[in-house]
Amino acid sequence: ETGVTQTPRHLVMGMTNKKSLKCEQHLGHNAMYWYKQSAKKPLELMFVYNFKEQTENNSVPSRFSPECPNSSHLFLHLHTLQPEDSALYLCASSQDQNSEPNTEAFFGQGTRLTVV
Amino acid sequence: GQNIDQPTEMTATEGAIVQINCTYQTSGFNGLFWYQQHAGEAPTFLSYNVLDGLEEKGRFSSFLSRSKGYSYLLLKELQMKDSASYLCATGNTPLVFGKGTRLSVIA
Repeated sequence: ETGVTQTPRHLVMGMTNKKSLKCEQHLGHNAMYWYKQSAKKPLELMFVYNFKEQTENNSVPSRFSPECPNSSHLFLHLHTLQPEDSALYLCASSQDQNSEPNTEAFFGQGTRLTVV
Repeated sequence: GQNIDQPTEMTATEGAIVQINCTYQTSGFNGLFWYQQHAGEAPTFLSYNVLDGLEEKGRFSSFLSRSKGYSYLLLKELQMKDSASYLCATGNTPLVFGKGTRLSVIA
């Protein structure tokens, strides 16, 4: 148990569906992240929120839409996805994006997404 | 930009020692992380090096040379449960990860 909880753990959706991934952290952190992990590829950063403000969008297609209503919750809204979007989506949190010294990120268990 | 390189796969014997190397190129440096990830699970933090030298933590140790852009993770007295992927990541927030090294521990 890392203190970061993601739901659902598994999701199968059609290309015309709309779904949302949820992440919640109980660590009092101020920075939250979405990563995508595809087979045989490194973890790819998608979005960064620091104190509820989006600070990075790593050229992610608009069919992925993040939302951060408060420092403890992060959502990833999905619509009209493609089969190549099938991957493990990981949420992480850390104390602060700009903390010195740097502190580690804590990851959720991920949502295994399959787009059919 | 940032670039991280580590071997894709390694195999080692139970009870042995294995060293997983990581080389990196980064425009700024704020430390080097190692994470462990078992199949289907979240990455979990193992170590963080920001100064040159060896950091020992039980059976796991991590080494950093900033001038060479090089780090390694050393695992001693290998156990079957150490079979996992080991991810090297630069400490520039947000973390940028290498592809990971899949370690298989065999009897």
